[in-house]
Amino acid sequence: NAGVTQTPKFQVLKTGQSMTLQCAQDMNHNSMYWYRQDPGMGLRLIYYSASEGTTDKGEVPNGYNVSRLNKREFSLRLESAAPSQTSVYFCASSGQGRYTEAFFGQGTRLTVV
Amino acid sequence: QKEVEQNSGPLSVPEGAIASLNCTYSDRVSQSFFWYRQYSGKSPELIMSIYSNGDKEDGRFTAQLNKASQYVSLLIRDSQPSDSATYLCAVTNSGGSNYKLTFGKGTLLTVNP
Repeated sequence: NAGVTQTPKFQVLKTGQSMTLQCAQDMNHNSMYWYRQDPGMGLRLIYYSASEGTTDKGEVPNGYNVSRLNKREFSLRLESAAPSQTSVYFCASSGQGRYTEAFFGQGTRLTVV
Repeated sequence: QKEVEQNSGPLSVPEGAIASLNCTYSDRVSQSFFWYRQYSGKSPELIMSIYSNGDKEDGRFTAQLNKASQYVSLLIRDSQPSDSATYLCAVTNSGGSNYKLTFGKGTLLTVNP
């Protein structure tokens, strides 16, 4: 009964390093999302994927890339980390259509020094 | 830019009172509306969804939607200290066949014993 699983939970990077945040869901959902959350800024959408093989930019895509590897997995990559990318990252998934709610992973707290 | 606006708070109410949380949205064709609760350091969890005009009640929670005014609210009756959290309003917008979930910045609610 895992739902949405994100790894890692915590990460510290040096400026310029790269890393990939992993997300997997076991609810057979079509849509998956990556958000970042900063104090006072709420949840801001980075990228989303409406179905396997498709991805779309959200509100703050610069500095990130994503891969929808299959229906279960949606990864977020930082190619060259910057201090401005210090944030809490959440992955979420939802079923197809407008009536389906999104469920969230436990979050990844990323610090770039 | 499709926006979801909430008062950031903090909103402080005494235990047993009614807490009223408000949200407005800018996209007239928004179709689905959700309230999430987020405790400090945790991921958002869904507490209410509403899709048509009017009220929807679930226990101590009532969601209200007025599409003409582009307004959605959440009432919490008999507020408890355990209700102290940030409440996030979310709206689903359609981009063709894809549905994107956009969040407000959240309202911090404090229930005082």
